[in-house]
Amino acid sequence: KAGVTQTPRYLIKTRGQQVTLSCSPISGHRSVSWYQQTPGQGLQFLFEYFSETQRNKGNFPGRFSGRQFSNSRSEMNVSTLELGDSALYLCASSWTVGYGYTFGSGTRLTVV
Amino acid sequence: AQSVTQLDSQVPVFEEAPVELRCNYSSSVSVYLFWYVQYPNQGLQLLLKYLSGSTLVKGINGFEAEFNKSQTSFHLRKPSVHISDTAEYFCAVSELRFYGGSQGNLIFGKGTKLSVKP
Repeated sequence: KAGVTQTPRYLIKTRGQQVTLSCSPISGHRSVSWYQQTPGQGLQFLFEYFSETQRNKGNFPGRFSGRQFSNSRSEMNVSTLELGDSALYLCASSWTVGYGYTFGSGTRLTVV
Repeated sequence: AQSVTQLDSQVPVFEEAPVELRCNYSSSVSVYLFWYVQYPNQGLQLLLKYLSGSTLVKGINGFEAEFNKSQTSFHLRKPSVHISDTAEYFCAVSELRFYGGSQGNLIFGKGTKLSVKP
């Protein structure tokens, strides 16, 4: 059974650009969540989608957005990148909300 | 607001010794509890979870944790560690809605780096 797949694994962007990260959940999982991990702030919740609807959103500026498609695949977008957006972005999926999430290996974003 | 405190940022231990990683949480409602492990340059792997029922939960790789509601704790233990257990461990909680089910989003502690020495 394939795990959660995140692409790309590594990304380098310039300040002011925008970026789109992709997440393919485990087959049959309908809940997809996104987290940001940094050395200073640790793991912080960005947002969660279930059946294409955003159910919950963390305390991040509007530059961070996401969406979920009918096949449960999800994308997150960060516009007008700032140096502080450099982080490991983790996607997690679950068959339903809250019962234990399987995480992908993450996308390491570096903003220069 | 809920929060998770992992009392030790680093825990060094010798191989085959027992280890306990401590986790306390604060919440005004019922919670689900989780322990995750992260190896270098990887994502998070679920070790174990407490949703309901027995307060002693057994997970993968010989780990177990005990939920103590009165002390709002969920400490992780392993009777004998191996070099391969060297990693960072995260405790997380998810609050439950009053009408049932989880809020969904996980609140993580800052992590405990377990270093197993030969």
